[in-house]
Amino acid sequence: RKEVEQDPGPFNVPEGATVAFNCTYSNSASQSFFWYRQDCRKEPKLLMSVYSSGNEDGRFTAQLNRASQYISLLIRDSKLSDSATYLCVVNRAGGYNKLIFGAGTRLAVHP
Amino acid sequence: GAGVSQSPSNKVTEKGKDVELRCDPISGHTALYWYRQSLGQGLEFLIYFQGNSAPDKSGLPSDRFSAERTGGSVSTLTIQRTQQEDSAVYLCASSLGNTGSETQYFGPGTRLLVL
Repeated sequence: RKEVEQDPGPFNVPEGATVAFNCTYSNSASQSFFWYRQDCRKEPKLLMSVYSSGNEDGRFTAQLNRASQYISLLIRDSKLSDSATYLCVVNRAGGYNKLIFGAGTRLAVHP
Repeated sequence: GAGVSQSPSNKVTEKGKDVELRCDPISGHTALYWYRQSLGQGLEFLIYFQGNSAPDKSGLPSDRFSAERTGGSVSTLTIQRTQQEDSAVYLCASSLGNTGSETQYFGPGTRLLVL
């Protein structure tokens, strides 16, 4: 079983739609959680950190459920520019910044 | 300021040859990471450097892979006797520290193709 699992998609949605991605992680001692975004043939870039209380950044909302070991990302009012692969990332327990990346969920927003 | 830079951006080599990939982290970042991303796959951790501490090499797939970080800054990843399955994008990242919550900043990667 992979340490971080995501639905690979693709999710094909029209502009303006709301779309949600889910991610599960297997190590209950994981401490930090992130969503990274990766455009085609580009490097990953941090989209947002995920906090226990849930957090929002504009159209993006991230949630963490430690009991279920589950992370989500909600994108409201999708834009064409949101088309990318979204990587769920978990810090491996043990103290240092060793990140474990999911394989990513591909989003395609169409006109 | 300058981000993480990597060179070369693309490398084509023949099976059995050695290759060396370079990473220049963001100035002042003490932590440096190498990852590999095969086509359509997630990022695979290879090796981690933090300051003068011994590196975490637990992700290196075989003894053909090695990495150095000189002077706490520039890092080189060496692959000896390359195989076709080594073809991938090799990504380097750096972060300010290593407490577990710092953002990792990625370089543009080196696309390696082994013929």
